[in-house]
Amino acid sequence: AQSVTQPDIHITVSEGASLELRCNYSYGATPYLFWYVQSPGQGLQLLLKYFSGDTLVQGIKGFEAEFKRSQSSFNLRKPSVHWSDAAEYFCAVDTNSGGYQKVTFGIGTKLQVIP
Amino acid sequence: DAMVIQNPRYQVTQFGKPVTLSCSQTLNHNVMYWYQQKSSQAPKLLFHYYDKDFNNEADTPDNFQSRRPNTSFCFLDIRSPGLGDAAMYLCATSRDLRASGGPQETQYFGPGTRLLVL
Repeated sequence: AQSVTQPDIHITVSEGASLELRCNYSYGATPYLFWYVQSPGQGLQLLLKYFSGDTLVQGIKGFEAEFKRSQSSFNLRKPSVHWSDAAEYFCAVDTNSGGYQKVTFGIGTKLQVIP
Repeated sequence: DAMVIQNPRYQVTQFGKPVTLSCSQTLNHNVMYWYQQKSSQAPKLLFHYYDKDFNNEADTPDNFQSRRPNTSFCFLDIRSPGLGDAAMYLCATSRDLRASGGPQETQYFGPGTRLLVL
């Protein structure tokens, strides 16, 4: 069965510093991978996705992620964090199950941004 | 230009009193999903509709039911809410045409309904 591991439950960074959120997945076939962001009390917003092709994908709000098949990883990065980036970030994998998205989410990483 | 709308945003119910949460979409997507997200946990898929076909996840309790009267609306019914059902309930939609050889697109989430059970 597929699984997603986000090893960091909480991360604190200073505003303006760079950010990397880690994500590892377990899935036998080619995965479809996503990063979502959730602000407190809100739904999930898609930051970026990887389906195929270029392994470095660009997303909204200045985020990017790199798919590394050899490491089963899909880490999220941002070169300079803004205070508004404080939120919870979920990595997810879609197992491409015959006609609908069977999405499995990681447990999430809460990002705190300090001045 | 809201795309996935969930009402109400907050719902308080009593232990054992049936409750219905609603979701509507303006995207004309063929697939609609319901997720349960408990505090500090990942969203967990309860079930989904692919057009009119209902698909239940194996570990979704029988206490949870769903209805999709048309493409735009989907309802989550909790027949006898327990304290453990207090959570955020997220509705999502997607246009998924892979079964017919078409493209697969991402899920769009609503803002969620936070359910409190007293």
